[in-house]
Amino acid sequence: EPEVTQTPSHQVTQMGQEVILRCVPISNHLYFYWYRQILGQKVEFLVSFYNNEISEKSEIFDDQFSVERPDGSNFTLKIRSTKLEDSAMYFCAILPSSGGTDTQYFGPGTRLTVL
Amino acid sequence: QKEVEQNSGPLSVPEGAIASLNCTYSDRGSQSFFWYRQYSGKSPELIMFIYSNGDKEDGRFTAQLNKASQYVSLLIRDSQPSDSATYLCAVGRGNTPLVFGKGTRLSVIA
Repeated sequence: EPEVTQTPSHQVTQMGQEVILRCVPISNHLYFYWYRQILGQKVEFLVSFYNNEISEKSEIFDDQFSVERPDGSNFTLKIRSTKLEDSAMYFCAILPSSGGTDTQYFGPGTRLTVL
Repeated sequence: QKEVEQNSGPLSVPEGAIASLNCTYSDRGSQSFFWYRQYSGKSPELIMFIYSNGDKEDGRFTAQLNKASQYVSLLIRDSQPSDSATYLCAVGRGNTPLVFGKGTRLSVIA
């Protein structure tokens, strides 16, 4: 099974601050995805990334969000000015480039707490 | 609006029994159907995927798909206390984002 790591595991920040969440796939990948899950709610899609550009984004992914591949391996999600309602688990997922399926594999997640 | 619906539970079953989890979806164009297990505070872990109508078995798990009824289910045989978790149904098509249900919380009582 493809592996994905995410850092940090837990991020606490003050409202209005910028945060950067990181995702590092261990194995080959085709697509990257960011999802979030507010406590007690469903997993929601934020954005997908393919070939160094955004492939698709949801209504949640507004101007305060951005994604990058700063060094060709890491995949980051930046939240420019955090709000209380951004508190959630953020998951990176990958769609491997081999395997013949369209199964997405999830990283361990970053718990973001906005105070 | 693409929707995936699951009974939130909790579904309580005794150890050794069969747990049956159900899911319906709204998008008839969906092609890929997944069951993920999620322990509290952890990330979704793939249990099974199914693409074709019918049953697919993997160990104690059986996924069932009925595209005409837009219905997916997961059966867990010989349920163990370690199976206690939230089970997420997710639906997709190729490389499109997955649409998740809210999950069914399963409790296996020893």
